[in-house]
Amino acid sequence: EDKVVQSPLSLVVHEGDTVTLNCSYEVTNFRSLLWYKQEKKAPTFLFMLTSSGIEKKSGRLSSILDKKELSSILNITATQTGDSAIYLCAVEPLSAGGSYIPTFGRGTSLIVHP
Amino acid sequence: DVKVTQSSRYLVKRTGEKVFLECVQDMDHENMFWYRQDPGLGLRLIYFSYDVKMKEKGDIPEGYSVSREKKERFSLILESASTNQTSMYLCASSPPRRRQYFGPGTRLTVT
Repeated sequence: EDKVVQSPLSLVVHEGDTVTLNCSYEVTNFRSLLWYKQEKKAPTFLFMLTSSGIEKKSGRLSSILDKKELSSILNITATQTGDSAIYLCAVEPLSAGGSYIPTFGRGTSLIVHP
Repeated sequence: DVKVTQSSRYLVKRTGEKVFLECVQDMDHENMFWYRQDPGLGLRLIYFSYDVKMKEKGDIPEGYSVSREKKERFSLILESASTNQTSMYLCASSPPRRRQYFGPGTRLTVT
């Protein structure tokens, strides 16, 4: 059974802090790992990672995949109150039919205090 | 821009009622999904569909059914709502072999 574990489950920081969120996985036929940000609405897509060691970056957010360690990290530098959200990690296997059914982790709840 | 809409943002129903949650996507995606999200449990897949009239059970299908009569619309049905089905329900769609796009969610309360 595919498994995705995120840590920590919750995190409280102050504005300006840097945070690192972790995602580890066990999945057969790995295809990709995705990060989403969820405020009080639909999860919004952040990154898709398929290759090990290549950092993806968007503003203050960055993410990298380590296929050897079966894990990924999401970094947020100089956090702002608007970064407060649940961060979801999902892993997509490549199924025999060619369709990708992702397995989600439980999420990390980040609260950024002013 | 892909748009996935859900019929209600908030819904309150009584135990035993039949509940319909509707999801519509406007990008001609083949795949559609229904998840429920509970605190500390993440997103759990209820059902998904690869095509019109096709459906597959996810991890927690008990107590739910689905209908996909048209490509753009995927309905989740609670035949007889129970209090343990109080949750946030998220719909998603995707083209084949591409990432998902999520709707805004329906927060269902069953009293």
